[in-house]
Amino acid sequence: RKEVEQDPGPFNVPEGATVAFNCTYSNSASQSFFWYRQDCRKEPKLLMSVYSSGNEDGRFTAQLNRASQYISLLIRDSKLSDSATYLCVVNPRMDSSYKLIFGSGTRLLVRP
Amino acid sequence: NAGVTQTPKFRVLKTGQSMTLLCAQDMNHEYMYWYRQDPGMGLRLIHYSVGEGTTAKGEVPDGYNVSRLKKQNFLLGLESAAPSQTSVYFCASSPLGSYNSPLHFGNGTRLTVT
Repeated sequence: RKEVEQDPGPFNVPEGATVAFNCTYSNSASQSFFWYRQDCRKEPKLLMSVYSSGNEDGRFTAQLNRASQYISLLIRDSKLSDSATYLCVVNPRMDSSYKLIFGSGTRLLVRP
Repeated sequence: NAGVTQTPKFRVLKTGQSMTLLCAQDMNHEYMYWYRQDPGMGLRLIHYSVGEGTTAKGEVPDGYNVSRLKKQNFLLGLESAAPSQTSVYFCASSPLGSYNSPLHFGNGTRLTVT
């Protein structure tokens, strides 16, 4: 089983739609969680961190469910510019500050 | 402010050739990392450095060497390239450990080994 698993998609949605991605992780001791965004043939960029109580940044909402070991990303009112691959990233342990585990990404296509 | 700069952007090597990828950051970050990204797989950590003069192995270090003689530079070397090393290589830096600070990535180097 992969340490971090994501549905590769693609998710094909119309503009204005709400879309959600889930990501599961295998290490129950994992301490920190992130969503990165990667545009085609570009470098990953941090979208948002995921906090235990859940957090929101504009149209984006991230949630953490420790009991079920998954994190989610909700995008409301999708824009064409949201088309990208979304990477789920997990830090397994607090003392392994160097080691981030990247999921293989979920591809989102927003159509007009 | 250039951020993280990688050179070269593209390279084609023949099996057995060697090369060095250069990563430079101008943000005075302590931590630097080399990742590779292959289709259908997440980024995998090759080597990393927690400060000038220090390096350590990541998940997939075999076939690669690194050096961090200066704080701003992190070099990745391929001593004898193999087709399995065909990949996109990303350098990243962070001011603290990646546990609590975001990674700043370079634009990537696309390497093909024939």
